[in-house]
Amino acid sequence: GIQVEQSPPDLILQEGANSTLRCNFSDSVNNLQWFHQNPWGQLINLFYIPSGTKQNGRLSATTVATERYSLLYISSSQTTDSGVYFCAVFANAGGTSYGKLTFGQGTILTVHP
Amino acid sequence: NAGVTQTPKFQVLKTGQSMTLQCAQDMNHNSMYWYRQDPGMGLRLIYYSASEGTTDKGEVPNGYNVSRLNKREFSLRLESAAPSQTSVYFCASSLTGDQGYTFGSGTRLTVV
Repeated sequence: GIQVEQSPPDLILQEGANSTLRCNFSDSVNNLQWFHQNPWGQLINLFYIPSGTKQNGRLSATTVATERYSLLYISSSQTTDSGVYFCAVFANAGGTSYGKLTFGQGTILTVHP
Repeated sequence: NAGVTQTPKFQVLKTGQSMTLQCAQDMNHNSMYWYRQDPGMGLRLIYYSASEGTTDKGEVPNGYNVSRLNKREFSLRLESAAPSQTSVYFCASSLTGDQGYTFGSGTRLTVV
């Protein structure tokens, strides 16, 4: 099935710093989503971005589908940005991954005041 | 607008006990999913239901069964719980299967 790798696994920032999270995937995809899991465990959908660039406030995401990677940018980070960021993909080829959202292992972000 | 509702939120089981995790969505979504989350392993798909009346195995189905009771409800059953099933379980739904996923708040299950 499709493989999804996220980097870095852990990231510690001071409030106000910028950061870039990366997601690599091993096969072509129909869909790519970024999620934020807050410290209470709730999963929040940040972006649906199979290709191109989107922005929502201090967050933006870019997916280069032909090169099989996506980047999540967080600018002027705040303590409320802390949590785990997941990339998840929906493969568009046949095989065991087809028809399901496959998650990466996540990046744990800690923002200190 | 409740979205996806999971019950219970917390559960402790003894090895060998059975239980059913309940999930309901009120968004008229066609597809529903059960994932488990373990430290350092992201979310792994247990079972999914692409539409009412169908269910399929995901990545880690062993030890679980599911029932798509109707369009709204998708339950996950552990027939004989094992310590390896200690995890956080998430139910999710989507309208089309490839986008717009909404997750429930999770069930933290401990098997002792």
